[in-house]
Amino acid sequence: GDSVTQMEGPVTLSEEAFLTINCTYTATGYPSLFWYVQYPGEGLQLLLKATKADDKGSNKGFEATYRKETTSFHLEKGSVQVSDSAVYFCALRNAGNNRKLIWGLGTSLAVNP
Amino acid sequence: EPEVTQTPSHQVTQMGQEVILRCVPISNHLYFYWYRQILGQKVEFLVSFYNNEISEKSEIFDDQFSVERPDGSNFTLKIRSTKLEDSAMYFCASSEAPPGLTQYFGPGTRLTVL
Repeated sequence: GDSVTQMEGPVTLSEEAFLTINCTYTATGYPSLFWYVQYPGEGLQLLLKATKADDKGSNKGFEATYRKETTSFHLEKGSVQVSDSAVYFCALRNAGNNRKLIWGLGTSLAVNP
Repeated sequence: EPEVTQTPSHQVTQMGQEVILRCVPISNHLYFYWYRQILGQKVEFLVSFYNNEISEKSEIFDDQFSVERPDGSNFTLKIRSTKLEDSAMYFCASSEAPPGLTQYFGPGTRLTVL
């Protein structure tokens, strides 16, 4: 079945460091891909998404490119801030009437000043 | 900005008791979902709901679980007889009618079964 694999955390970075969180997927067909973020004490917020191959999703300085050839959707940010400390979840939604999201385990990011 | 709300934020119950988790989806959304996350594990899909009926459910969503939209604003998840392994964070989400893809999530209800 469909699945998402994320790099394990926790990830600890200094402010202004470069961030990469790896995400790969297994799916039939052509899924849509998402990154959600969960700040401490809050719910899951959509960070960015991509719906077809080679699409790049971006938001708040974060980017991820839908790579069908490597079945990946890695999250990147050029310069992280303390306020980016959160748990990041990669997820996919497959095509068709099925609307459920399939999730990765989540990667905890801590950014130190 | 419209948001999904959930109550309570934390529910503690005894094993075997019934619990009802409440959600208020975004008002013009038509699709509703419940997910759960057991501590340290992946977020798991439980059920989706559209047009007053379940459109899909996972194998987790057995006869102990039910969902309801009792009025025009609330969406509830009932667990009839809670087990220890039901302890988890439960997230409600909603999305627009097609072609909307984005599911908007509430802050979650932490359920602790003792």
